[in-house]
Amino acid sequence: GAGVSQSPSNKVTEKGKDVELRCDPISGHTALYWYRQSLGQGLEFLIYFQGNSAPDKSGLPSDRFSAERTGGSVSTLTIQRTQQEDSAVYLCASSLLLQAHEQYFGPGTRLTVT
Amino acid sequence: RKEVEQDPGPFNVPEGATVAFNCTYSNSASQSFFWYRQDCRKEPKLLMSVYSSGNEDGRFTAQLNRASQYISLLIRDSKLSDSATYLCVVKYSSASKIIFGSGTRLSIRP
Repeated sequence: GAGVSQSPSNKVTEKGKDVELRCDPISGHTALYWYRQSLGQGLEFLIYFQGNSAPDKSGLPSDRFSAERTGGSVSTLTIQRTQQEDSAVYLCASSLLLQAHEQYFGPGTRLTVT
Repeated sequence: RKEVEQDPGPFNVPEGATVAFNCTYSNSASQSFFWYRQDCRKEPKLLMSVYSSGNEDGRFTAQLNRASQYISLLIRDSKLSDSATYLCVVKYSSASKIIFGSGTRLSIRP
């Protein structure tokens, strides 16, 4: 079956512009996660959704970051007024349930802020 | 101090060798532990969960030491295809806290 998909795969944007990253989880997966991975670094946990609800937004790096999920499916991560330090690979993952052990990752969106 | 720490490596070992690396975690409230594998420029994929009693999957053995707060991964009879970065993952009972280590790079040479 189809895995987690993300779009765009690559995004180059100018500093100060807004960007929107999209994640399509595996059909039927109720939990969805966003991570950020900078070059040579581990994954930084940003936010998770259980259905459409994100109970804890404290992992988002700043108030320029927001995320939403509608219909229990597609999620978008929006970064406003991008900064160069926002450059990273943004990874989305989904799991069948919040308590499920395995997360399935998408291929990521490589964001470059110039 | 990071909540989850790993030796970044790289570990460079010959094919067929046995290699092991650890991951330490600082919060004793940690509930679940995993090893993920990430190939260069690819997404992470679950390698194995880590159970309290230790568990084995083919050439891979994972162990948990709650008293000393570390988990380990041992790879026997290493193959060239084992070359990757191995990420240690700690999950708390509240799913709002999932911590990935920075990864240990493993390179297997012929």
